Amino acid sequence: NAGVMQNPRHLVRRRGQEARLRCSPMKGHSHVYWYRQLPEEGLKFMVYLQKENIIDESGMPKERFSAEFPKEGPSILRIQQVVRGDSAAYFCASSPLDNSGNTIYFGEGSWLTVV
Amino acid sequence: DAKTTQPPSMDCAEGRAANLPCNHSTISGNEYVYWYRQIHSQGPQYIIHGLKNNETNEMASLIITEDRKSSTLILPHATLRDTAVYYCIVPNAGGTSYGKLTFGQGTILTVHP
Repeated sequence: NAGVMQNPRHLVRRRGQEARLRCSPMKGHSHVYWYRQLPEEGLKFMVYLQKENIIDESGMPKERFSAEFPKEGPSILRIQQVVRGDSAAYFCASSPLDNSGNTIYFGEGSWLTVV
Repeated sequence: DAKTTQPPSMDCAEGRAANLPCNHSTISGNEYVYWYRQIHSQGPQYIIHGLKNNETNEMASLIITEDRKSSTLILPHATLRDTAVYYCIVPNAGGTSYGKLTFGQGTILTVHP
């Protein structure tokens, strides 16, 4: 897990506020993935991004959620107008430019609590 | 992703080998078998993957049957720190599906002293 940096590790938001989760991929990696793990549930794919491009967002909720991976800086997962059901662990993963498989490296996660 | 079936839980004594089975009878010829694990409150960790030949690395060995319908992850000398949920995943091959993994319920491995 070393190398993929996520922050904040823990975030508390009131209902209706915005949550921003940041992910810096491992050095040399240009593919980023976001996963969500709801309490007592399995990990679910949300979105796959490359620099300045969203490749696959089939797992993203249709409203309030967005993700970006700009040319410079970390990838951001943004949740607007948070609700209690958004409380979960959000994991970011990365893989190298020449990735041709499914070996991806996860960060330690960001735990969002909505009160 | 091809469907995988794993036992919900297993126990292992510290220092002994842990053998975690996985059935993937619908696997296609060009689909790999991947294993990840998740220690409590941590991010998932890649362990190993293989296509048809047995594979070994510093963490584990992967034994894939000749018909590729099942596999076994072997932790040769389990330690307490190996207590985790182990996921066997067979991702769809190719296209834009790289990194889009389907995590099932996995096997909760408990290593006890």
